[in-house]
Amino acid sequence: SSELTQDPAVSVALGQTVRITCQGDSLRSYYASWYQQKPGQAPVLVIYGKNNRPSGIPDRFSGSSSGNTASLTITGAQAEDEADYYCNSRDSSGNHLFGGGTKLTVL
Amino acid sequence: QVQLQESGPGLVKPSETLSLTCAVSGYSISSGYYWGWIRQPPGKGLEWIGSIYHSGSTYYNPSLKSRVTISVDTSKNQFSLKLSSVTAADTAVYYCADGSGSKGGWFDPWGQGTLVTVSS
Repeated sequence: SSELTQDPAVSVALGQTVRITCQGDSLRSYYASWYQQKPGQAPVLVIYGKNNRPSGIPDRFSGSSSGNTASLTITGAQAEDEADYYCNSRDSSGNHLFGGGTKLTVL
Repeated sequence: QVQLQESGPGLVKPSETLSLTCAVSGYSISSGYYWGWIRQPPGKGLEWIGSIYHSGSTYYNPSLKSRVTISVDTSKNQFSLKLSSVTAADTAVYYCADGSGSKGGWFDPWGQGTLVTVSS
C-alpha cells in the first residue's frame, strides 16, 4: 500500500540516543528522506538518500534502512532536537508520500 | 543559494479556486529536477500535493488529482499551484519546495509557507 507509518510520539532523555522509524512497502525500493519541523517553522531536511546530511545538519543525525523500515537516529539528543519529524519517500507510481509525523520530546 | 517564496491570497471562498505562486531565486528553475507543493492543515501533518519535473511531467496526489494543476513559468522563474472547488478541508499552510533525487527523492529547501484559509 502507498502509506508511510510513524509512531505519533517518542521521548528521549537529554544526551541519550533515540530512533524514529518509518514503515512502508515503498521503502523496500526507495530511500526515505527525513525532515525536522519546529513550531511555526517550515520543515528542514536532515537526512536524504542512503544516509546523507545536508550542510549544517549535525552529525548526531543519521539514517538507515532495512526491509520496509527506515530509521532516523539521533545520537546524543539535545534540547534543540525537540521537534516533529517526518519521513518522505515515493511509491512505484512516482507519487511522493509523507509519514504522519513523530513528535520528539527531549526530557 | 536557492530560496523559495510563496505568494497568493490568504483567504479563498468555498467552491472557488486557490491560486499560489512560488518565486525561485538564486537558481534557474529550468535547471531544477523537480519542484513540489506540500500542505499542512492546522495542527496536522504534511501532505504532498504534487510535483512538476523539468521535463514538464506532473505528478499529483491521487486524492487531489481531479482538482490540482501545477505549472512552471520559466520566464518569471516561478511555478504555480491551482486547486479548484476548495472547501474548508483545504485550509492549510501551503509550502513550495525544490525537489531532488530519483530513488526516493527529497525536498530542499522549502519556502516559508503561506496560510490559506477557505471561508465565506
